[in-house]
Amino acid sequence: GENVEQHPSTLSVQEGDSAVIKCTYSDSASNYFPWYKQELGKRPQLIIDIRSNVGEKKDQRIAVTLNKTAKHFSLHITETQPEDSAVYFCAARSVGRRALTFGSGTRLQVQP
Amino acid sequence: NAGVTQTPKFRVLKTGQSMTLLCAQDMNHEYMYWYRQDPGMGLRLIHYSVGEGTTAKGEVPDGYNVSRLKKQNFLLGLESAAPSQTSVYFCASSITSGGEGEQFFGPGTRLTVL
Repeated sequence: GENVEQHPSTLSVQEGDSAVIKCTYSDSASNYFPWYKQELGKRPQLIIDIRSNVGEKKDQRIAVTLNKTAKHFSLHITETQPEDSAVYFCAARSVGRRALTFGSGTRLQVQP
Repeated sequence: NAGVTQTPKFRVLKTGQSMTLLCAQDMNHEYMYWYRQDPGMGLRLIHYSVGEGTTAKGEVPDGYNVSRLKKQNFLLGLESAAPSQTSVYFCASSITSGGEGEQFFGPGTRLTVL
């Protein structure tokens, strides 16, 4: 089955800096890659996603890039703010599998 | 719209006891999922359902059973709870398969098994 590895497990940045979180996946047939944000004590919420026919997608301060050849995708957050502090999860969906496989999560701390 | 709701929010069980967690969604979604979340391990899929009356195993199904008798409800059962099942349980639903499209999560149930 699909295996998703996520790095780093924790990340601390200064407010205004950029943050990058990376994920690799094992199944070359995977075709959908969402990112979820989970604030402390809250439920995960989708923040951005990308499909395998697209190399990059942006939404204001967040962007996701996908390298299908290397089987990895990354979340980029620019101009970080304290409210970006949360745990971020990447996930991948294999063709034919009706469920997501999640990475282990990255705890992002934005220092004011 | 309430979205996805879970009952109960917290529960403490003794080893060997049984319980059922209820998930309800009012968005008319076909797909529903049960995950467990443990520190450093992300969200792991226990069971899922692609429609009323259907269920399927996920990554970590052992020790759990599920039922989807009504489209809006997805029940997760623990027949004989073990300390290894101490976790936070999240239910989710989506309108399309495999989360290709947003999965909407419930608020979670924190379960402790002593």
